[in-house]
Amino acid sequence: EVQLVQSGAEVKKPGESLKISCKGSGYSFTSYWIGWVRQMPGKGLEWMGIIYPGDSDTRYSPSFQGQVTISADKSISTAYLQWSSLKASDTAMYYCVRYGDYMDVWGKGTTVTVSS
Amino acid sequence: QSVLTQPPSVSGAPGQRVTISCTGSSSNIGAGYDVHWYQQLPGTAPKLLIYGNSNRPSGVPDRFSGSKSGTSASLAITGLQAEDEADYYCQSYDSSLSGSNVFGTGTKVTVL
Repeated sequence: EVQLVQSGAEVKKPGESLKISCKGSGYSFTSYWIGWVRQMPGKGLEWMGIIYPGDSDTRYSPSFQGQVTISADKSISTAYLQWSSLKASDTAMYYCVRYGDYMDVWGKGTTVTVSS
Repeated sequence: QSVLTQPPSVSGAPGQRVTISCTGSSSNIGAGYDVHWYQQLPGTAPKLLIYGNSNRPSGVPDRFSGSKSGTSASLAITGLQAEDEADYYCQSYDSSLSGSNVFGTGTKVTVL
C-alpha cells in the first residue's frame, strides 16, 4: 500500500525551530515529487512547495519562499518541512502529498500549534 | 490569495445534482493546464477526487464528474448522498506565480 506517514502533533513557542517529517512507503520514493500543503484553522488549502527526492530539486510557492525549508533524505524515504523561527501565524495543519501531475496520495497531516 | 475562485457553498437535497465552478484565468486553466479536484471530509485529509479535468481514480463513484472549458472548470455530483457533505477544492498550475500549483478557494457542499 502506498502511504505517507507524517510525524506527530507539535506545540511550540514563537521563535523556536521545528522540523516535521513525512515518510513514504509502498512505492519508489525517489521517483515522485513530495509536496507540502498548509491549511490554517478553518481555512482552505495552500500550496507551499515541492521536492524531488531523487536529486533534491526543490521549488517553493512565492508565498512561502524564505519562510520554510523543504528537504529530503532519500536513504530513509523521508521528506521534511522546517522552520527556523516559528510565528503564531504558522499555526496550521500541514499535509505532505505525493505529486506527479496531481496530488494522488496525502498524509494524514501534522498539526503545528505556535503559542506563547 | 487564491487565483482560482469557487463558490463558498452549494447545497442540495439527497438525490439531486449539484455543480461547483472553479474560475481561473489565462495564466492557469485558460493556458491549458489540467484541473484536479479534491474532497475533504470533515476532520480528515483531502483525497484526490478527479484528475486531469475529468478522470476518476479507482474507487471514486461515477456520481462525480469533472469538466473544463476556457478559463473555468466544473465538478458535478449527481445523485447527491449524505456522505458527500464535505469541502471540495480545485487545483491547477499557474505560470504567473513563478511556476506554482494553486488551489481554489474551496466549496462547502451541504446535503439538506
